[in-house]
Amino acid sequence: NAGVTQTPKFRVLKTGQSMTLLCAQDMNHEYMYWYRQDPGMGLRLIHYSVGEGTTAKGEVPDGYNVSRLKKQNFLLGLESAAPSQTSVYFCASRKGQLSYNEQFFGPGTRLTVL
Amino acid sequence: GQNIDQPTEMTATEGAIVQINCTYQTSGFNGLFWYQQHAGEAPTFLSYNVLDGLEEKGRFSSFLSRSKGYSYLLLKELQMKDSASYLCAVRDWVGNTDKLIFGTGTRLQVFP
Repeated sequence: NAGVTQTPKFRVLKTGQSMTLLCAQDMNHEYMYWYRQDPGMGLRLIHYSVGEGTTAKGEVPDGYNVSRLKKQNFLLGLESAAPSQTSVYFCASRKGQLSYNEQFFGPGTRLTVL
Repeated sequence: GQNIDQPTEMTATEGAIVQINCTYQTSGFNGLFWYQQHAGEAPTFLSYNVLDGLEEKGRFSSFLSRSKGYSYLLLKELQMKDSASYLCAVRDWVGNTDKLIFGTGTRLQVFP
């Protein structure tokens, strides 16, 4: 099993450009999450999904959109990138809603917006 | 509201024992996790507590007191490879779903 994978690993964008980050998991997990991690801020939840075809807003959703058309994939879109979106983005998945189900994280995408 | 506090940095010596504390305030507590994150890498799961008491897993142990809103991660027989950030995260019920709320992490440096 590859676990949780993310594409791309690194990206540099100019302000106003758009891009999509892809997250894929091969563990048949129901729940998937997108976080951003900034120095001194910890991991903050952007959007999440509790199943195929469903999405919901997290703590910092502005400027991002998501889609979960297939159970194994969770896409994060930036329509018009801003320097404030420079961050490391982590995707995570979780088997189900049982409280002890831990989240498995992907390797991260390092995004710089100039 | 939700709040999780843990020290920003700690240092320790190889072979020693270190305790990383975490205090939290949440409205719908549903479990506490500790994750390890090496620089430039993804967080990896270390431990889970939902009931009061100590959970031991090899060199790592985690303790929880729900009444005090307090947890600690205990690392024994420290090794150089334990140099990493340790993230305390609380599962909190909000509305009809639960979310994992992360602290800012404790950066542990182990010296020879």
